[in-house]
Amino acid sequence: DIQMTQSPSSLSASVGDRVTITCRASQSVTSYLNWYQQKPGKAPKLLIYAASTLHSGVSSRFSGSGSGTDFTLTISSLQPEDIATYYCQQSYSSLTWTFGQGTKVEI
Amino acid sequence: EVQLLESGGGLVHPGGSLRLSCAASGFTFSNFVMSWVRQAPGKGLEWVSNINGNAGSTYYADSVKGRFTVSRDNSKNTLFLQMNSLRAEDTAVYYCAKCLGTRCNVFDYWGQGTLVTVSS
Repeated sequence: DIQMTQSPSSLSASVGDRVTITCRASQSVTSYLNWYQQKPGKAPKLLIYAASTLHSGVSSRFSGSGSGTDFTLTISSLQPEDIATYYCQQSYSSLTWTFGQGTKVEI
Repeated sequence: EVQLLESGGGLVHPGGSLRLSCAASGFTFSNFVMSWVRQAPGKGLEWVSNINGNAGSTYYADSVKGRFTVSRDNSKNTLFLQMNSLRAEDTAVYYCAKCLGTRCNVFDYWGQGTLVTVSS
C-alpha cells in the first residue's frame, strides 16, 4: 500500500498567517492527491483535488501544489473558521485509497 | 444540493452484525461510484469499501474483507453496508461518500456519519 505522511502533525498560527502543510507519498501518485478539511465533530469536506484544483465553493485562501511524491496545502491568510484537521489522500493506487494521519491547525 | 444521510449505527456486541444505510439525494445516484469511509474515535480516516454505479463491482479494505458487504438500491437512491463478525476495532464513525470519476478519484461529498460501537 502507498503510505501518506503529513507534516507537521499539528501547528499553531495567528490569524492572517500563511500556513503550509506538507504531504509525502511513499511512492509516486502523480497528481492523484486530494485534500480534505474536517472541523471538530463534523464530516470531512473536500478542499482540493488532483493536487491543485479547488473544489466548488472553497475559499481561494486555499491552494494546493505538487506532483509525484511531495505535495503542499497552503492557507494564504489563516482565518478563525479554518481551525480544523486537514487530511491528504491518494487515489493513484487502484483499489486502495489511503489518507495521511492528519494535521491539526490551531490558532 | 447533494445530500447524504447515514443511519443504522449503534451499540453491538463483538461478533454481532449491523446494517448501515445511506440515503442520497441531489444527484443521479446510479451514475456514481459510492464509498464508505470510517474514523475510529480520535483517529484518522480509513477507506472501507467502494461500489460502482450498477453494483457490478465492489472493493474492500483488507481489514474488512470477508466480513463487510457493500450494496446499493438505485431505485431508492440508497447505499448499504452490511457488517458481520464485528470486532472492537470496527468501532468508528462510518461516513458514506460520493465519488468523482469511474475510479473514485476523489470523495467529493460526505454524509454526517453514523457511530458504530462494538463492545460487550
